[in-house]
Amino acid sequence: ETGVTQSPTHLIKTRGQQVTLRCSSQSGHNTVSWYQQALGQGPQFIFQYYREEENGRGNFPPRFSGLQFPNYSSELNVNALELDDSALYLCASSLAPSGRDEQFFGPGTRLTVL
Amino acid sequence: QKEVEQDPGPLSVPEGAIVSLNCTYSNSAFQYFMWYRQYSRKGPELLMYTYSSGNKEDGRFTAQVDKSSKYISLFIRDSQPSDSATYLCAMRNTGTASKLTFGTGTRLQVTL
Repeated sequence: ETGVTQSPTHLIKTRGQQVTLRCSSQSGHNTVSWYQQALGQGPQFIFQYYREEENGRGNFPPRFSGLQFPNYSSELNVNALELDDSALYLCASSLAPSGRDEQFFGPGTRLTVL
Repeated sequence: QKEVEQDPGPLSVPEGAIVSLNCTYSNSAFQYFMWYRQYSRKGPELLMYTYSSGNKEDGRFTAQVDKSSKYISLFIRDSQPSDSATYLCAMRNTGTASKLTFGTGTRLQVTL
């Protein structure tokens, strides 16, 4: 069974640029959630995708957007990067979007905005 | 006030000690409670998952949930240097798109 994978591992961008992060969910999981983890903080929920539709969103501006593909993999796009966007971006997959289902995290993508 | 409060530590204990990690929360809708372990610059790893109030044991780890006090705990028995990591509590309600709400994490150092 393959776990959650994310790419790239590290990324350095400059302010104003755009970035795309990728996530492959664990085998059999159809729900993907994205989180932002700033240094020394717990992860903060960005949004969740289920059946290729956004299925809930946290307190993040519209320049954070996403996609989910028919194979349940997902992308997180961030436009007009700001210095405060520097963080570890985590993807988590689960069997379904219900509260019962455990979320399993990938290793994350560390984004640095200069 | 944050929905989930967790002492950031750091907490330093000698090898073999019993470790107690705690979180308090304010949202009474939370029904599912989790503890994740996160090593430096890695993704969180699910350790314990409990529903509603009660205790759950798995090897050296015991999770306790007291919904009446809005308080959850993780106990680690016979702590090992390999337990040195940040421990994150997380919780969520029963709805769909049920996001996880995390504490800030407690950094634990187990010394020889």
